[in-house]
Amino acid sequence: GAVVSQHPSRVICKSGTSVKIECRSLDFQATTMFWYRQFPKQSLMLMATSNEGSKATYEQGVEKDKFLINHASLTLSTLTVTSAHPEDSSFYICSARVDLAGETQYFGPGTRLLVL
Amino acid sequence: AQTVTQSQPEMSVQEAETVTLSCTYDTSESDYYLFWYKQPPSRQMILVIRQEAYKQQNATENRFSVNFQKAAKSFSLKISDSQLGDAAMYFCAYRSGFGNEKLTFGTGTRLTIIP
Repeated sequence: GAVVSQHPSRVICKSGTSVKIECRSLDFQATTMFWYRQFPKQSLMLMATSNEGSKATYEQGVEKDKFLINHASLTLSTLTVTSAHPEDSSFYICSARVDLAGETQYFGPGTRLLVL
Repeated sequence: AQTVTQSQPEMSVQEAETVTLSCTYDTSESDYYLFWYKQPPSRQMILVIRQEAYKQQNATENRFSVNFQKAAKSFSLKISDSQLGDAAMYFCAYRSGFGNEKLTFGTGTRLTIIP
């Protein structure tokens, strides 16, 4: 199956700093990638849809100025949590769909963010 | 808006036995896709099985099979010959077939395998 990587796998930062998370499709091109957030013992909540070469589409209630998404190439999308606060601590997961090859999304291994 | 409901927060099964996880969904669309994803303790989401709504035949992947009842909007997952490695959170997910690629997830079922 298609492989999606995320970096870093976990990050600890101080309140007020910004954190960048990378999502890469390793063996396929992905015009569209997705960013999810998962709180402990809860389901995945879609934050935004990342489109290569255009602006991301954010879900209702997600602050686009706080969660900056850039999809500069067909294999890389980045999520930057700006001015992070303890309430932003969570598990962030990206996914990607293989272009022109089905409807299945493949997920990265996730990034655990802890804001102190 | 579409909703996905998993009414079993936790399930357990004896090793080598069969277990069925329930999922219902609500939609007014006729074309859509349904998925079961597994999330083990590593938290890596792994695709277990997928079903296209236009297909009447239930999808099967080795020990995993679904019972897709379109009229009842039900999509249950059957795991046969349960193994210790099957222990995980299982999420049912819905995707529209009309261009919106978003996945809508259920709340998940935690499956425990009893040795």
